[in-house]
Amino acid sequence: EVVLTQSPATLSLSPGERATLSCRASQTVSDYLVWYQQKPGQAPRLLIYDASNRATGIPVRFSGSGSGTDFTLTISGLDPEDFAVYYCQQRFNWPFTFGGGTKVEI
Amino acid sequence: QITLKESGPTLVKPTQTLTLTCTFSGFSLSTSGLAVGWIRQPPGKALEWLALIYWNDDKRYRPSLKSRLTITKDTSKNQVVLTMTNMDPVDTATYYCAHPRHDTIHWGQGTPVTVSS
Repeated sequence: EVVLTQSPATLSLSPGERATLSCRASQTVSDYLVWYQQKPGQAPRLLIYDASNRATGIPVRFSGSGSGTDFTLTISGLDPEDFAVYYCQQRFNWPFTFGGGTKVEI
Repeated sequence: QITLKESGPTLVKPTQTLTLTCTFSGFSLSTSGLAVGWIRQPPGKALEWLALIYWNDDKRYRPSLKSRLTITKDTSKNQVVLTMTNMDPVDTATYYCAHPRHDTIHWGQGTPVTVSS
């Protein structure tokens, strides 16, 4: 099973600042890596697929990069609505696995 | 428009079997390449894929739970059913059904399940 390790666990930032979230895989997942945003009481929302492609309707301030085992989600200029928990997930191998999440808080 | 909705009990007792139904619309699970799966999230914890069923009835189970899980589909009813046996309090979670595609994933609203005597 591929283990995804996200860091940091919590990121304390202010609106307008840049957020950089990391996701590291225990083995290669090629570019089969997706990023989600989740707010309390809601299902996750897909932000990025295939490591660097923005999903439909996702603002350009969200960007993803990386391949193999190291991935990054960058939010360039935090909007108040961006404070949430972010998960990475690999779909290279079954079982698909999620990281433990990064909470972006004010 | 694609929608998915989970249904099932909100409370089960330890050792009982949980049966959850995902009823979907906007696509057919008889279409080549498509799949529906189940994901759960314990309170305050991360997400976990449990099972996935493909249009051709190919099935995938989370290895650590494989002995307890069964996923089936009823194409005529647009439903996918997940059963989990021998429920334990650690299985308390919100259970989501999901329809993954290459560039998106459609989620149900989730259904909370508590395991308690």
